[in-house]
Amino acid sequence: AQSVTQLDSQVPVFEEAPVELRCNYSSSVSVYLFWYVQYPNQGLQLLLKYLSGSTLVKGINGFEAEFNKSQTSFHLRKPSVHISDTAEYFCAVSDRPSNLFFGTGTRLTVIP
Amino acid sequence: GAGVSQSPSNKVTEKGKDVELRCDPISGHTALYWYRQSLGQGLEFLIYFQGNSAPDKSGLPSDRFSAERTGGSVSTLTIQRTQQEDSAVYLCASSLVGPQPQHFGDGTRLSIL
Repeated sequence: AQSVTQLDSQVPVFEEAPVELRCNYSSSVSVYLFWYVQYPNQGLQLLLKYLSGSTLVKGINGFEAEFNKSQTSFHLRKPSVHISDTAEYFCAVSDRPSNLFFGTGTRLTVIP
Repeated sequence: GAGVSQSPSNKVTEKGKDVELRCDPISGHTALYWYRQSLGQGLEFLIYFQGNSAPDKSGLPSDRFSAERTGGSVSTLTIQRTQQEDSAVYLCASSLVGPQPQHFGDGTRLSIL
């Protein structure tokens, strides 16, 4: 079974600073990778996905992530964060349709 | 609405009672998932439905948990004889077939007294 590691449980960052949220997964022949964001008292919203093709994936709200097969990583980045980016971010990996394995999440707090 | 709808949004019940949680997936999505999110933790997979195939129940934590999906659309997650450790947010998601993103509802926050 796949596993997903989000090493940073909390990441504080000042407004307009860049941020990187780390995600590593256990290796597999082929995987599909996702980042989701969860705002308070809401469900998860898809930020971006990697299914195939270009390893640099751009998502909503200015976020992007890069798939690195050799390092089995899919780190999420944003060059300049806003207060509204404060939320919980989940990395997820799937190797077959019935299973989406989630990391334990990273709480991003943007400080004014 | 066009999104996944879950009801109720909040449920408070006494230990030992049965509860039913409902999920209306996005129209046309044949895959439906249930997850449990405990306080400060990630998502725990519970069960997966795909079309008319037998569901993948591998994530159900005990035989007190069951789920059904009628007519390939609405799904109900039932927890019998609730325990305090069942307190969590239960999230439902739906998707198209294949490695497609899952679309989540806002969840049902279940509190067992």
